[in-house]
Amino acid sequence: AQSVSQHNHHVILSEAASLELGCNYSYGGTVNLFWYVQYPGQHLQLLLKYFSGDPLVKGIKGFEAEFIKSKFSFNLRKPSVQWSDTAEYFCAVTSTGAAGNKLTFGGGTRVLVKP
Amino acid sequence: GAVVSQHPSWVICKSGTSVKIECRSLDFQATTMFWYRQFPKQSLMLMATSNEGSKATYEQGVEKDKFLINHASLTLSTLTVTSAHPEDSSFYICSARDPSSGNAEQYFGPGTRLTVT
Repeated sequence: AQSVSQHNHHVILSEAASLELGCNYSYGGTVNLFWYVQYPGQHLQLLLKYFSGDPLVKGIKGFEAEFIKSKFSFNLRKPSVQWSDTAEYFCAVTSTGAAGNKLTFGGGTRVLVKP
Repeated sequence: GAVVSQHPSWVICKSGTSVKIECRSLDFQATTMFWYRQFPKQSLMLMATSNEGSKATYEQGVEKDKFLINHASLTLSTLTVTSAHPEDSSFYICSARDPSSGNAEQYFGPGTRLTVT
């Protein structure tokens, strides 16, 4: 079965600091990778996704993520955060194998950006 | 982009009663929808996969007789929490795949907060 691990449960940083959130998955086959964001009181929004091709993926709001197959990782980055980036971030994986298109979510990382 | 709605956005019910939550794909036809549950400060856990015209596929540990799923049309799936108890209080989120997109992306609804008193 596939699983997703997000290393940081809580991250606190100041505005303009750089952000990197770790995500590792376990699955031996081909995967599709996603990062979602959930702002306080709002629903899940897709930040970016990786299906194939360039392993460096750029998403909305200045976020990017790099797929490193050898490390089973898909870390999320933003060079300079804003107070409005305060939210919970979820990494998710679907496999293209027997598990079909079921999304498996990581535990989430709660990010607090101090103004 | 594809839009998924849920109704109601929040509901309070008494213990022992049943509650129905609707999930609709507004601008696309969804052959497959998914139901998730999110406890406070936790991640989303997949409960079941809802397939149009056939029985839902439940994840291990999810009681299919308690969480009834119906996917009667290509734009509507419903989740009924039967004989609700306080431990069923949670945030229920649905998602849908747009098969015409040709990829595995899921579009999420805004969620329904259920409180059982």
